[in-house]
Amino acid sequence: EPEVTQTPSHQVTQMGQEVILRCVPISNHLYFYWYRQILGQKVEFLVSFYNNEISEKSEIFDDQFSVERPDGSNFTLKIRSTKLEDSAMYFCASSLEQGFPLGAEAFFGQGTRLTVV
Amino acid sequence: KQEVTQIPAALSVPEGENLVLNCSFTDSAIYNLQWFRQDPGKGLTSLLLIQSSQREQTSGRLNASLDKSSGRSTLYIAASQPGDSATYLCAVLTDKLIFGTGTRLQVFP
Repeated sequence: EPEVTQTPSHQVTQMGQEVILRCVPISNHLYFYWYRQILGQKVEFLVSFYNNEISEKSEIFDDQFSVERPDGSNFTLKIRSTKLEDSAMYFCASSLEQGFPLGAEAFFGQGTRLTVV
Repeated sequence: KQEVTQIPAALSVPEGENLVLNCSFTDSAIYNLQWFRQDPGKGLTSLLLIQSSQREQTSGRLNASLDKSSGRSTLYIAASQPGDSATYLCAVLTDKLIFGTGTRLQVFP
C-alpha cells in the first residue's frame, strides 16, 4: 500500500542551526502539507503546497520556514535558524485532491521528531 | 474560525466495554471528517473518513457518524481491547485539515 515516508525519524540540532526535514508523498498525489505537534498539544497546520507553490500558510509559518519540491518525489521543510520552541513532531501529509465535490483522504507520514538544544 | 473540540479528554475503561468518543466543530462548511489514531510518540493512522454527504462509516469494530448540521461526529468502538489504547483525533477538512484536541483512551485488562 502506498505511504508517505519521512526522514529522519529523529533529529537533534543546536539552536540557530538550519534543518531540513524530508518527505516523500504518495506518488500520484497533488496536495502536500506540513503539520507540527508540540509535545502534549494539538496537531497544528503549517503550510499547504499545490502546483509548485504555497497555497496557504499559518501564522506559525514565518520567514524562518520554507518548503520546496525540488524534484518529482521529494517535499522538504526547511527551518533556517532553529529556536528551542521549534522542538516538535513534524508531520508531512499528501492527498489527491481537495474540495468540492469530494474531499480526499489525507495520508500522513510517521513524523520527524525535532529536538532543538 | 473553525474550532474542533473532543470530549472526553481522557477515558479509562475495562476491556470489553463499548465506547463513544465525541467530536464537535463550529463551522459546518466542511468537505469531510477523518478520525485518526495516534500511539504515544508515533504518527497518525487514519481510521475512518466520512464525506460531508455521508452519515456514517464503519470499519471492523469502529463506527463513525457525522451530523454536519449540528457540527458533531461520534466514534463508536465496540468491545474495546487493551490494544485500542491510544489517542484518538478527529479532524475536519475545509481548505486544510483542522485537528481536535484528542481523546486519550486507556483500556485495561
